[in-house]
Amino acid sequence: AQSVTQPDIHITVSEGASLELRCNYSYGATPYLFWYVQSPGQGLQLLLKYFSGDTLVQGIKGFEAEFKRSQSSFNLRKPSVHWSDAAEYFCAVGGNYGNKLVFGAGTILRVKS
Amino acid sequence: GAGVSQSPRYKVAKRGQDVALRCDPISGHVSLFWYQQALGQGPEFLTYFQNEAQLDKSGLPSDRFFAERPEGSVSTLKIQRTQQEDSAVYLCASSLTRAAGGPYEQYFGPGTRLTVT
Repeated sequence: AQSVTQPDIHITVSEGASLELRCNYSYGATPYLFWYVQSPGQGLQLLLKYFSGDTLVQGIKGFEAEFKRSQSSFNLRKPSVHWSDAAEYFCAVGGNYGNKLVFGAGTILRVKS
Repeated sequence: GAGVSQSPRYKVAKRGQDVALRCDPISGHVSLFWYQQALGQGPEFLTYFQNEAQLDKSGLPSDRFFAERPEGSVSTLKIQRTQQEDSAVYLCASSLTRAAGGPYEQYFGPGTRLTVT
């Protein structure tokens, strides 16, 4: 069965510090991987995606993620966090066209000044 | 261009009432998804449409949940005889169709927060 694990429920970082949010997945075929961000009362905004090719993918707002097949991981990184990055982050895995997304439970990011 | 819109944004229902939640997908998006997001959880898949055809409803939690998309654009998620455990945010997403198959991106609406009292 497909599943996504985000081991950290909450993470607090100082503004300007680097960030890494962890994501591990279980999927029986070629995974398509996504990171979404959700601000309070808002829907999900796509940050970045991995479909194939280069395992380091760049997204919006200065985020990047690296796909490591051997570790079944797709961790999200940002070199310098801004206060506006405070939100909840979801990792998701999907399959071929038309298939559903399976989400992790999310990681809440707090940014302290 | 306009994104996915959902209405109402907030809905309070008394236990046992029926509710209807509306989703307007991005124009031209063939695929439409519904997800349920309980408090403190990630979204969970409910059902999927391609045009007007409901191709997957494996995530609907009970026969009280019903979704339709009769003309292949707007979709309605209906919950009959609401229960307290139905309280959640209901998210709608749409995506383009890739004729040759393969991956896709889903674009999400702001959600409808349903509270059953």
